[in-house]
Amino acid sequence: AQTIHQWPVAEIKAVGSPLSLGCTIKGKSSPNLYWYWQATGGTLQQLFYSITVGQVESVVQLNLSASRPKDDQFILSTEKLLLSHSGFYLCAWSPDRGGEVFFGKGTRLTVV
Amino acid sequence: GEQVEQLPSILRVQEGSSASINCSYEDSASNYFPWYKQEPGENPKLIIDIRSNMERKQIQELIVLLDKKAKRFSLHITDTQPGDSAMYFCAASDNAPRFGAGTKLSVKP
Repeated sequence: AQTIHQWPVAEIKAVGSPLSLGCTIKGKSSPNLYWYWQATGGTLQQLFYSITVGQVESVVQLNLSASRPKDDQFILSTEKLLLSHSGFYLCAWSPDRGGEVFFGKGTRLTVV
Repeated sequence: GEQVEQLPSILRVQEGSSASINCSYEDSASNYFPWYKQEPGENPKLIIDIRSNMERKQIQELIVLLDKKAKRFSLHITDTQPGDSAMYFCAASDNAPRFGAGTKLSVKP
């Protein structure tokens, strides 16, 4: 069975500090990977997606970047956090494009 | 664009009654329409989906309808229970799902 793991579970970071969020998927080779951002009570905004190692497409940047260094790993990062970066970050995967998307448990980020 | 509009944003119903959420999309290439339920502090979970080769699908108390010509689809929850209270998101997908703004459903006992 496939599993998706996100880390950390929660972060409290200062404005201007760097950030790195991680996500790994086990049990599925060459998954499509996604990063979503959700403000409290808000919609799921797709940030990035990747269909293969080393290839990442940006949908909405929000002064963030993403990388896929391994087939099963997706990283979201920034060098300087803004207050507006606060929210719930969800990594997700799908076996193919246009099919069901499976979400990780998310990372709650609070920027102070 | 590839916007997905979802209404209403807030829905309050009495236990045992029906609840309906409506979505519309712009991208005619969309061929997969999932619905997700999100409890507070949790990740969204798929509850039902429909593909463009179908017009109706039912799983227990959940019914989804799809009108491809009108580019509209809807979720109907019959005989609602307090446990149905949550955020619900529709999505339209070609390559990756685009989500609606969400509907906060509250079912009053």
